[in-house]
Amino acid sequence: GEDVEQSLFLSVREGDSSVINCTYTDSSSTYLYWYKQEPGAGLQLLTYIFSNMDMKQDQRLTVLLNKKDKHLSLRIADTQTGDSAIYFCAEGEGILTGGGNKLTFGTGTQLKVEL
Amino acid sequence: NAGVTQTPKFRVLKTGQSMTLLCAQDMNHEYMYWYRQDPGMGLRLIHYSVGEGTTAKGEVPDGYNVSRLKKQNFLLGLESAAPSQTSVYFCATTQGGSYEQYFGPGTRLTVT
Repeated sequence: GEDVEQSLFLSVREGDSSVINCTYTDSSSTYLYWYKQEPGAGLQLLTYIFSNMDMKQDQRLTVLLNKKDKHLSLRIADTQTGDSAIYFCAEGEGILTGGGNKLTFGTGTQLKVEL
Repeated sequence: NAGVTQTPKFRVLKTGQSMTLLCAQDMNHEYMYWYRQDPGMGLRLIHYSVGEGTTAKGEVPDGYNVSRLKKQNFLLGLESAAPSQTSVYFCATTQGGSYEQYFGPGTRLTVT
C-alpha cells in the first residue's frame, strides 16, 4: 500500500528558513499536499502541487517535488513563532478517479520555532 | 456558517461500552471522511462516504461502523470500545472536484 514518511521534529530560529521533507511510495499519486495542524485543532490545507509540476511558490511557502525520487519538500521563508505547528504531507489519487479523493498522510513533522 | 463540527469534543468510555460520534457540515459537500490520529502515525482513514446513503471502508475500519443517512451528517459508531481505540478522531469533508479537505476540530476519545 501507499506509504508516506516524514521526520518527526524540526527546530529552527525565528527568521530562518524551515525545510520539511517528505517521501512517498505511490508513483500513481496525482496530487501532493501540505497540511498544517495547530495545537488542539484540525488540519488546514496550506498548499498542494500536481505531480507534473516541479515547484510551486505561494508567498512564504515553496514546494519542491522530485518525482523521480518521490521526494516532496516544504520551505517556509522567514519562519515566525506562529508557524510552530505539526505539518503533514499527504498524497492523493486525484479528484476525478471516482475513488473518493482519499488521502494518505505522513506521520507529521513537529516544527518548533525558537526566539 | 459553522463549516465542519464534531460532537462530542471529549469522551471517556469503559471497555465494552458503545458510542456514536457525530460529524455535521453545512457546506453541502458530497464527500465525508473519518480519520483517527495517533502519536507518530499521522492520520489514518477509517471510513468514508461519497454521497448520501453510501459508505466505504478505509485503511483501518475494524471495530467501527458508519452511516450517512443525511447528506450533512456522517456518524461513526463504536459498538464495543477497546483501549486500542483511544485516539483523536477527525471528520473531514470535500466537494467532488475540489482539492481541499476541510477538517473538524476533532474528538478526543479515551477508552479505559
